[in-house]
Amino acid sequence: EVQLVESGGGLVRPGGSLRLSCAASGFTFSTSSMGWVRQAPGKGLEWVSSMSGSSNYIFYADSVKGRFTISRDNAKNSVFLQMNSLRAEDTAIYYCVRQGIVVVAAAVRPADYWGQGTLVTVSS
Amino acid sequence: DIQLTQSPSFLSASIGDRVSITCRASQGISSFLAWYQQKPGKAPKLLIYAASTLQSGVPSRFSGSGSGAEFTLTISSLQPEDFATYYCQQLNSYPVTFGQGTRLEIK
Repeated sequence: EVQLVESGGGLVRPGGSLRLSCAASGFTFSTSSMGWVRQAPGKGLEWVSSMSGSSNYIFYADSVKGRFTISRDNAKNSVFLQMNSLRAEDTAIYYCVRQGIVVVAAAVRPADYWGQGTLVTVSS
Repeated sequence: DIQLTQSPSFLSASIGDRVSITCRASQGISSFLAWYQQKPGKAPKLLIYAASTLQSGVPSRFSGSGSGAEFTLTISSLQPEDFATYYCQQLNSYPVTFGQGTRLEIK
């Protein structure tokens, strides 16, 4: 059974940092693209970042570029999101996702599994 | 960036109704579109990808169609568990974008 379990969320002051972790199990992690999607309270979905299994391809939303860094440890079946210079508008539930389905000729793989999410609140 | 616009943003329907939600892209994206369902307090769930391919385990009353810049999600006969918010997502290119969502409620 595929499982994604996020941790590391919490309350942080504007300008602060936080590191989210996602522990994966139930599939071959090292060959799977992984990503993060967030959802501000009462709002829609916003993609944040994605990383290929080999770490060769990394993408960020413009809203977080230069502040957030995605990484992964294939030996520990984990993916991380280092968030620096946090702003109030980064307040959201952050979901870890597996982008596991290959759509022929598509650049993006859909998110076929989602974690339960971890809440990040940026407030003074 | 590719913009996705869903219509309607809100839909009220009854059990057994057939409903459709439209997603329009700001440029052609071939068939590179996915649909998700999200229930309150839960993570989204993948329903359809590549515009019309049903994800494993998703009931056959859900279907997707379209290509280019206009896509449709159809639920053939609404069941109580289908009342949720639906999002489209383009798979054509990064940065990934989602539609703003369509909230489906019981009439």
